[in-house]
Amino acid sequence: LAKTTQPISMDSYEGQEVNITCSHNNIATNDYITWYQQFPSQGPRFIIQGYKTKVTNEVASLFIPADRKSSTLSLPRVSLSDTAVYYCLVGDLYNQGGKLIFGQGTELSVKP
Amino acid sequence: SAVISQKPSRDICQRGTSLTIQCQVDSQVTMMFWYRQQPGQSLTLIATANQGSEATYESGFVIDKFPISRPNLTFSTLTVSNMSPEDSSIYLCSARVGTEKSNYGYTFGSGTRLTVV
Repeated sequence: LAKTTQPISMDSYEGQEVNITCSHNNIATNDYITWYQQFPSQGPRFIIQGYKTKVTNEVASLFIPADRKSSTLSLPRVSLSDTAVYYCLVGDLYNQGGKLIFGQGTELSVKP
Repeated sequence: SAVISQKPSRDICQRGTSLTIQCQVDSQVTMMFWYRQQPGQSLTLIATANQGSEATYESGFVIDKFPISRPNLTFSTLTVSNMSPEDSSIYLCSARVGTEKSNYGYTFGSGTRLTVV
C-alpha cells in the first residue's frame, strides 16, 4: 500500500478555492487515488476517485499529473460547511482485500 | 448508496466490562470493516469481517480483545472486551458496496463513542 503525505491542516475563507495536495511517491500501477471527507461525529464520506489526469464531479475536482506521484483535491468556492478532515487514500481497492487504509488527513478550517 | 445504522452512538462503561457494537446495513454486502479512531486522529483498521469466514485482524488487534461476528450479509458486531481506559475511542464500521463493474464504494456508520471509566 502506497504511503501518503498531506498537510496536517489548512485554513481558508468562504468563497475561496481550496487545493489540498497529497504525495504518494510509491504509487503502484494498479492503485487508484480516492479522497474522503469526515465531519466531526460522523463516518468518512466518499468525495472523488481517479486514476490519472483530471476527474470532476458535482463536489470537487481531482488533478493527477502524468507521473501519478501526487494528486490535488480542488474544492471550488468553499463554505463554512466544508470545514472537515480530508483523507487521501491510495491503493488497489479491488485486490488488496478491499481494505481502506487511512493516512493522517488534512484538517480544513473555513472561516467567514 | 447503502446506509449503515450503528448503535449505540455512545456509551460510558466501567473498566473490566465488555461492550458490543452493532452495525446493520440496508443492503447485502460481502465485506465489512471495523475501525478505531482516537480523538483528533485518523482511522485505524481493526479487522475485516466477511460473511462465512473468520474475521481477519490487523497487526496489534486480536480476536480475544475484539471478537467480531458476521452472521449474515447485512449485519456485524464488534465486542470490546475487558475494557480499560485505553479503549476509550470512537469505533466505526464500514461496508463495501457496489460491484467491480459499477465501481465499489465504501459507506461508514456514524460511529460509537466509547468512554471507559
